[in-house]
Amino acid sequence: SHELTQPPSVSVSPGQTARISCSGDALSKQYVYWYQQKPGQAPILLIYKDTQRTSGIPDRFSGSSSGTTGTLTITGVQAEDEADYYCQSADTTISYYVFGGGTRVNVL
Amino acid sequence: QITLRESGPSLVKPTETLTLTCTFSGFSLSTDGLAVGWIRQPPGKALEWLGVIYWDGDERYSPTLRSRLSITKDTPKNQVVLTLTNVVPADTATYFCAHRRVDYGDSHWGQGTLVTVSS
Repeated sequence: SHELTQPPSVSVSPGQTARISCSGDALSKQYVYWYQQKPGQAPILLIYKDTQRTSGIPDRFSGSSSGTTGTLTITGVQAEDEADYYCQSADTTISYYVFGGGTRVNVL
Repeated sequence: QITLRESGPSLVKPTETLTLTCTFSGFSLSTDGLAVGWIRQPPGKALEWLGVIYWDGDERYSPTLRSRLSITKDTPKNQVVLTLTNVVPADTATYFCAHRRVDYGDSHWGQGTLVTVSS
């Protein structure tokens, strides 16, 4: 079965860099997508096709992918970046999609 | 401007069938490469991908729900309908529909609708 693994939480001080990993065998063949979700709100698409930033998303958010791991990097974290972050990808045959378990970013 | 809105019952009894409608505007599901997907989120838990229907009628489902889940579209009405049979309390969640363009992710989401399964 297709699964994506994320760390449950990441803590970072304002102005520092946060990196969130997403691991899964299918990522060597499929794109990874990244979403941000704040409490009580619908998710927002941050990154598509591994590295492409959605229009209107600040350039402090960036994505990369290598092998079976995708990474979301937030450079110069701001207090407003405190949220849950989810990765998503398809299985190797694009039969279905899954989300990772989510990572809570805590801004200290 | 793309908008989506989920509608349906807020309370469903165990063993009943849940039917939710996603009504959208700003795009047509007859356009190549477009799709509408369904995602849910139990209270305090992670997002769970449920399924998607594409412009050409192709449907894809989560393996864990495939036996109970159906997604259909009414292109002229700009609606997509999710049907989940034989619901259980674990199906309690906020259900979202989302606009997807192939390879571009779920770019626009509805506000979500909370469905509680309880007798």
